[in-house]
Amino acid sequence: AQSVTQLGSHVSVSEGALVLLRCNYSSSVPPYLFWYVQYPNQGLQLLLKYTTGATLVKGINGFEAEFKKSETSFHLTKPSAHMSDAAEYFCAVTYSGGGADGLTFGKGTHLIIQP
Amino acid sequence: DAGITQSPRHKVTETGTPVTLRCHQTENHRYMYWYRQDPGHGLRLIHYSYGVKDTDKGEVSDGYSVSRSKTEDFLLTLESATSSQTSVYFCAISGGQQDIQYFGAGTRLSVL
Repeated sequence: AQSVTQLGSHVSVSEGALVLLRCNYSSSVPPYLFWYVQYPNQGLQLLLKYTTGATLVKGINGFEAEFKKSETSFHLTKPSAHMSDAAEYFCAVTYSGGGADGLTFGKGTHLIIQP
Repeated sequence: DAGITQSPRHKVTETGTPVTLRCHQTENHRYMYWYRQDPGHGLRLIHYSYGVKDTDKGEVSDGYSVSRSKTEDFLLTLESATSSQTSVYFCAISGGQQDIQYFGAGTRLSVL
């Protein structure tokens, strides 16, 4: 069984500051990892994904994440926060070789940007 | 929303009534999924489909059934709605087993 833990249901940062959203996963087989963003009253939009290869993954809107197998982590970062980054962020996992049985999501982190 | 239409977008119903939510895609993707989103729980998989007439249960399937008679349509049915099924329901589609899942805009369901 796989699971995802997102540390911090709410994270508040100042505009221009570093954004760090934490995600740890549990999987007995090599994972495929995703970060999605959800703006109010909208569906989920993919920020970035890791499947194989380079462990530092760059996504849209200046976000990136690094897959660290030894730490079972896939933290999301952005060097400088913008007001438009305020949203809900979800980390999700599936695994290579698995069936089409969907993604396992973390509970989400609400990112608040202080002016 | 990657050619995904969910209908209705909002619905209010009473306990004990049947409810059907529809997901329609124009991408000809093989895989379709239904999730529910609740505060503090993230998204949880209800059912999924890996082809026409091929479906399977997800993590929270009790009280829900699905059908897929055409590639483009995936229906989620609550046979007898309960207040615990008040939620936001999302449909997702994918072209491959580990491909990106694209999400619809969601259906907000309230069961009174």
